[in-house]
Amino acid sequence: AQSVTQPDIHITVSEGASLELRCNYSYGATPYLFWYVQSPGQGLQLLLKYFSGDTLVQGIKGFEAEFKRSQSSFNLRKPSVHWSDAAEYFCAVGGGYSTLTFGKGTMLLVSP
Amino acid sequence: DAGVIQSPRHEVTEMGQEVTLRCKPISGHNSLFWYRQTMMRGLELLIYFNNNVPIDDSGMPEDRFSAKMPNASFSTLKIQPSEPRDSAVYFCASSVGGGRSYGYTFGSGTRLTVV
Repeated sequence: AQSVTQPDIHITVSEGASLELRCNYSYGATPYLFWYVQSPGQGLQLLLKYFSGDTLVQGIKGFEAEFKRSQSSFNLRKPSVHWSDAAEYFCAVGGGYSTLTFGKGTMLLVSP
Repeated sequence: DAGVIQSPRHEVTEMGQEVTLRCKPISGHNSLFWYRQTMMRGLELLIYFNNNVPIDDSGMPEDRFSAKMPNASFSTLKIQPSEPRDSAVYFCASSVGGGRSYGYTFGSGTRLTVV
């Protein structure tokens, strides 16, 4: 069965500092991987996705993620965090005919 | 494109009452998903439709929950009778072809409070 682990429930980053959110997945074949962001009171918005090709993928809002098959990881990064990035971030995995499985999310807090 | 449209945004109801949540997927999307989000359990997939047909309803918590998709542009999730433990945010999402290549587009959710 596929699964996603986001080991950090909360992360606090200073505005302007770099960010890395961790995601580890379990999937038996080549995975499709996604990062979503959820602002308070809103639905989930797709940030970026990976399913083949270059293992470093660029997304919206200046985010990027790197797929590392050997580590079963798909970590999300941003070089300089803005206060508006404070939100909850979800990693998801899918493939074949299965539905996406979401991690439990990481809440990002941005300090001034 | 208006995105996935859910109604109502907020619903407060008394225990034992029937609740109906509504969803209009993006035109051209042939897969529709209902999720429930709580602090304790995170995002849980309740049911998945493909081409209006329920494919996987293993996440539906119990017989009090039912979902329908009478056509490609409308789906409902009904809870009857509602209980306080059903309080959560319910999301509808839609996608093309199961969503594994393109991901899902989520609606803004319905916050349900059962008192």
